[in-house]
Amino acid sequence: GESVGLHLPTLSVQEGDNSIINCAYSNSASDYFIWYKQESGKGPQFIIDIRSNMDKRQGQRVTVLLNKTVKHLSLQIAATQPGDSAVYFCAEMGAAGNKLTFGGGTRVLVKP
Amino acid sequence: GAGVSQTPSNKVTEKGKYVELRCDPISGHTALYWYRQSLGQGPEFLIYFQGTGAADDSGLPNDRFFAVRPEGSVSTLKIQRTERGDSAVYLCASSADGHGYTFGSGTRLTVV
Repeated sequence: GESVGLHLPTLSVQEGDNSIINCAYSNSASDYFIWYKQESGKGPQFIIDIRSNMDKRQGQRVTVLLNKTVKHLSLQIAATQPGDSAVYFCAEMGAAGNKLTFGGGTRVLVKP
Repeated sequence: GAGVSQTPSNKVTEKGKYVELRCDPISGHTALYWYRQSLGQGPEFLIYFQGTGAADDSGLPNDRFFAVRPEGSVSTLKIQRTERGDSAVYLCASSADGHGYTFGSGTRLTVV
């Protein structure tokens, strides 16, 4: 089937280890940031978001860190599981809302 | 329905033909978006509807692309005189508040 992760940077991680995925964004005026997970043949699925007035936000097994000084976003996945294998995209949105600009994506492969 | 529905899931068409791609958003979501995703890339914004009107169509690549949402619910993306470069996955998303997007699984368009 189609691979949305073709030619993307790949992170291989052992099952049970933690994963860190990094993203550099371009627009210093961006106000809202989201991480999406995309499995082959499916649309992007929301994981976690963060607003520009925060530098850290935690969800279930996931943490997003935002460094506005260097325009850097990261996603940490704790105790990575086989079901976490997918392509991960960061996306940014301006203060006016509505239009997302996506980064290039990272493929995560979880080894059993 | 429970999610965003896109039909068809796959469409193969000959170069020069006209195609229509349909999106059924989540009931009650006033905002609807179209994105295009090429292989190995993140989704790229095409057009955004708020209700029946196109609030931002700045991502449409040229005048062969057009989208409508006549009753503020279902939307149709129309592509005239298709070219091989139009081959991609076309994603639709809807939102109640302009931030929390839900994506459909997309229509994979192949122009031969």
